[in-house]
Amino acid sequence: GDSVTQMEGPVTLSEEAFLTINCTYTATGYPSLFWYVQYPGEGLQLLLKATKADDKGSNKGFEATYRKETTSFHLEKGSVQVSDSAVYFCALSEGTGANSKLTFGKGITLSVRP
Amino acid sequence: DTGVSQDPRHKITKRGQNVTFRCDPISEHNRLYWYRQTLGQGPEFLTYFQNEAQLEKSRLLSDRFSAERPKGSFSTLEIQRTEQGDSAMYLCASSLVHGGHGQYQETQYFGPGTRLLVL
Repeated sequence: GDSVTQMEGPVTLSEEAFLTINCTYTATGYPSLFWYVQYPGEGLQLLLKATKADDKGSNKGFEATYRKETTSFHLEKGSVQVSDSAVYFCALSEGTGANSKLTFGKGITLSVRP
Repeated sequence: DTGVSQDPRHKITKRGQNVTFRCDPISEHNRLYWYRQTLGQGPEFLTYFQNEAQLEKSRLLSDRFSAERPKGSFSTLEIQRTEQGDSAMYLCASSLVHGGHGQYQETQYFGPGTRLLVL
């Protein structure tokens, strides 16, 4: 079945550092890929998405490119801020009109120190 | 558009009691999903509705769990005879599915969740 694997955490960075969070997936079809973020005390929020190979999703300075050849969707940001401290989840959805349930990775906690 | 809301936000109950959670989706969203998230894990799919029809249930959803969406708007998730293993965050998400023949484009929007603790 479908699965999503995220790098082990937690991750602690200094403000303005470069961020990469790795995500790889296994799927039978051609899934859509997502990054969701969960800030402390809040619900899951969609950060960005990509629906086909080579698409790049971007939002709030974060970027991720859908790489079919490596089945990856790594999240990057050039300069993190303290306000980026949160839990980040990579997810996929087959999205072919039937059940488009999301399959999530375990999530990774990012802490950014001033 | 006020987003997805869930009620209650927190629930503490004793083992063996029944609990019911409510989810109000974004208005006009035709799909509604329930997920469960345990500590240190990502959310796991439980069930989903297209309008009022419940179209799929995960194997995670035992016979003690039942979900409804009677008028295609809000949904309820009931857990009967709760067990300590039911302690988790229960998340609701809604989406508007649109598209013609073939591929659908869909983004799910999540509520804040209901945190259940079974003592």
